Amino acid sequence: GQNIDQPTEMTATEGAIVQINCTYQTSGFNGLFWYQQHAGEAPTFLSYNVLDGLEEKGRFSSFLSRSKGYSYLLLKELQMKDSASYLCAVIDSNYQLIWGAGTKLIIKP
Amino acid sequence: SQTIHQWPATLVQPVGSPLSLECTVEGTSNPNLYWYRQAAGRGLQLLFYSVGIGQISSEVPQNLSASRPQDRQFILSSKKLLLSDSGFYLCAWASGTGLNQPQHFGDGTRLSIL
Repeated sequence: GQNIDQPTEMTATEGAIVQINCTYQTSGFNGLFWYQQHAGEAPTFLSYNVLDGLEEKGRFSSFLSRSKGYSYLLLKELQMKDSASYLCAVIDSNYQLIWGAGTKLIIKP
Repeated sequence: SQTIHQWPATLVQPVGSPLSLECTVEGTSNPNLYWYRQAAGRGLQLLFYSVGIGQISSEVPQNLSASRPQDRQFILSSKKLLLSDSGFYLCAWASGTGLNQPQHFGDGTRLSIL
């Protein structure tokens, strides 16, 4: 079967750095997305990785290792508004998007 | 720029009543369109997707149906709602130019069945 694993919940402190991991077992791989979803709102697109390495976009960076079936989202200089769920999603060999259940990130002052 | 509109934002319906949720996209042509449901505290469940007018693929057998009468219009329907149909319904679009394009979501409809 196809599976994406993310921690259910993480807690971090305002101003700190947090890394949210995502491991996947899918039938093939054609890319990986990270989305942010604030409580009660729709997900918004953060990043896309298809090649190994780090993609940086402001305070957010996303890393991919295809050989390890692993990605992480790195959030720097955490702000209270970063409190949200972070969803990892993988495009499989049939170009179907497989969604993880999301990681709820709680930021404390 | 592209925008996606989804309505209503909130809906309360009795069991056994019909449903119609509408989603429209502006600023793009031939988008891929999607309907998802998200239960409280859970991940996204793909219900239907469409790559063109009249082309609907169903991912989960249930009492819901979808239609795409126009290129940028996607409708989710039910003839008789069940209690288990409660949830947060999200419409999304992605560029039809490639199969690895990110999906962009509407604001969602929170559906409560009484």
